[in-house]
Amino acid sequence: SQKIEQNSEALNIQEGKTATLTCNYTNYSPAYLQWYRQDPGRGPVFLLLIRENEKEKRKERLKVTFDTTLKQSLFHITASQPADSATYLCALDALGGGFKTIFGAGTRLFVKA
Amino acid sequence: GAVVSQHPSRVICKSGTSVKIECRSLDFQATTMFWYRQFPKQSLMLMATSNEGSKATYEQGVEKDKFLINHASLTLSTLTVTSAHPEDSSFYICSARDPTGTGVAGELFFGEGSRLTVL
Repeated sequence: SQKIEQNSEALNIQEGKTATLTCNYTNYSPAYLQWYRQDPGRGPVFLLLIRENEKEKRKERLKVTFDTTLKQSLFHITASQPADSATYLCALDALGGGFKTIFGAGTRLFVKA
Repeated sequence: GAVVSQHPSRVICKSGTSVKIECRSLDFQATTMFWYRQFPKQSLMLMATSNEGSKATYEQGVEKDKFLINHASLTLSTLTVTSAHPEDSSFYICSARDPTGTGVAGELFFGEGSRLTVL
């Protein structure tokens, strides 16, 4: 079955540094991969989508890479700010179609001022 | 971007009672909505796909009679937790895609979530 792995340990970084989060997946070759931000007690908010034929996607201070050989995506936040502190979720379109999306458990990011 | 609204945001009920959660797409029509459940520090688990005008499609292991889903219109889906028990306490979130919007294909818009506590 599909499996998405994100580092369950929280990531603590200093303001201004680059945060790098990892998403690994197994038993599947998704057509695209997404990253969402979730704040405590709130629903997730879409950040970026990268397709299988794209190596990298950028949006302002965010950058996502997609390595289909390694079955891995990296999510970078450059010049991090305390306001970037949140949980970041990796998501894939589900095996079997139906436009379903499945999510990883997320990595909690803390940016210290 | 598209807006999905969920109500109530918090609900506390007694064991054995039923609770209804509403999910509305405010500025677009959604023929399909997705219901997720999330336990603390865990991933969102897809419970079911709500289909307008037809039966919902439930994921494996989700009890259809326990979690009743109705998608009566193109802008409203409801989730009813029947005969709730403390183990049903969780964060329930709905989502939908905006097929006519300029958003990225595949992007999901989420409601604010509903925190259910069963005493």
